Amino acid sequence: KNQVEQSPQSLIILEGKNCTLQCNYTVSPFSNLRWYKQDTGRGPVSLTIMTFSENTKSNGRYTATLDADTKQSSLHITASQLSDSASYICVVSDRSNYQLIWGAGTKLIIKP
Amino acid sequence: NAGVTQTPKFQVLKTGQSMTLQCAQDMNHNSMYWYRQDPGMGLRLIYYSASEGTTDKGEVPNGYNVSRLNKREFSLRLESAAPSQTSVYFCASSDERNTEAFFGQGTRLTVV
Repeated sequence: KNQVEQSPQSLIILEGKNCTLQCNYTVSPFSNLRWYKQDTGRGPVSLTIMTFSENTKSNGRYTATLDADTKQSSLHITASQLSDSASYICVVSDRSNYQLIWGAGTKLIIKP
Repeated sequence: NAGVTQTPKFQVLKTGQSMTLQCAQDMNHNSMYWYRQDPGMGLRLIYYSASEGTTDKGEVPNGYNVSRLNKREFSLRLESAAPSQTSVYFCASSDERNTEAFFGQGTRLTVV
């Protein structure tokens, strides 16, 4: 069964610190992997989309990595800011039907 | 440029009542989607429309109907609301089925 698992479920860090969020998936065949940021009470906003051939992709202080062999991805946030407090969701696209398989998200809280 | 606009933002229904959630996008996208988001779970696809005039069931279509009124608008109808349909509903659109999706701000629906 296609699944996307994220860890940790929640994370609290101090402002200015770095953090890394993890995503493991079993989706096959694979089309692409996306990371979304969802602020409380808002819709998800795309951070990155990575295809099979891409190992790393950056968007400002956000850097996503993909290991298609082990079916793992990570999202690294550098020099965290209070505005980074949000849920971060990993989503994998199934190439057979383009269905998006959504993870449950990691809730990140940045404390001053 | 408003992106994806959903109405209403909040709604309380009694069991058995009906209502329609409205969604409009101004990005000239072909594909539109309706998702529901429940606590602790990933987004689940209710219905999608790959292009004007076509609709298809997603993962959890029971109890819902949709209409792709034109390229801009995609509505979701609950004919007889049930407490299990209490959720946050998101509309999204993308250029094609497997490209970046843009989300509305969500409709928080409570069925009592």
